[in-house]
Amino acid sequence: DVKVTQSSRYLVKRTGEKVFLECVQDMDHENMFWYRQDPGLGLRLIYFSYDVKMKEKGDIPEGYSVSREKKERFSLILESASTNQTSMYLCASSLVKARGSPLHFGNGTRLTVT
Amino acid sequence: AQSVTQPDIHITVSEGASLELRCNYSYGATPYLFWYVQSPGQGLQLLLKYFSGDTLVQGIKGFEAEFKRSQSSFNLRKPSVHWSDAAEYFCAVGGHSGYSTLTFGKGTMLLVSP
Repeated sequence: DVKVTQSSRYLVKRTGEKVFLECVQDMDHENMFWYRQDPGLGLRLIYFSYDVKMKEKGDIPEGYSVSREKKERFSLILESASTNQTSMYLCASSLVKARGSPLHFGNGTRLTVT
Repeated sequence: AQSVTQPDIHITVSEGASLELRCNYSYGATPYLFWYVQSPGQGLQLLLKYFSGDTLVQGIKGFEAEFKRSQSSFNLRKPSVHWSDAAEYFCAVGGHSGYSTLTFGKGTMLLVSP
């Protein structure tokens, strides 16, 4: 089974801090994704990556950046955390070579910015 | 642009009763369609997917979904709901390129009454 591991389940940070959310997958997937999930808004795509050092903006990239130095690891960075970035963050991966490959999700990181 | 509508924010079903969760999509060609389930505090788990062929697809946990091109719908069904089915359900649409991203609906919260 694919395993997508997010390093923290809960995180509390202060406004203005730089925040790193880490995600690791163990199935050699090419694609990796970061979504945020908010009540009533569903999942919204922040950034995704097709390959090492590649990144593409999703629907809501403002205030975020990403890093993919190794194939298995995809980091989401909040350069200067703000209270409106309090949310559940979900990492996912998929196999690009398989058409319509489904996403495999981690258990999420619930971030609170105070 | 692709989009997904889940018209029902909440649904309450009695245990043992049948269930149908609605999903309508917008996509320029034949889409890939998915249903995911999220239990409290967890990531999303794939229930089933439609790529092509038979329009009735079977998934895990006794769920099935039917693709109706004429109605742009992909409704999820289960003949007899169990209390453990209480969760949030997400419909998603994606394209045929391995590089395409998934677009999610806003989710339907299923409550199961005794």
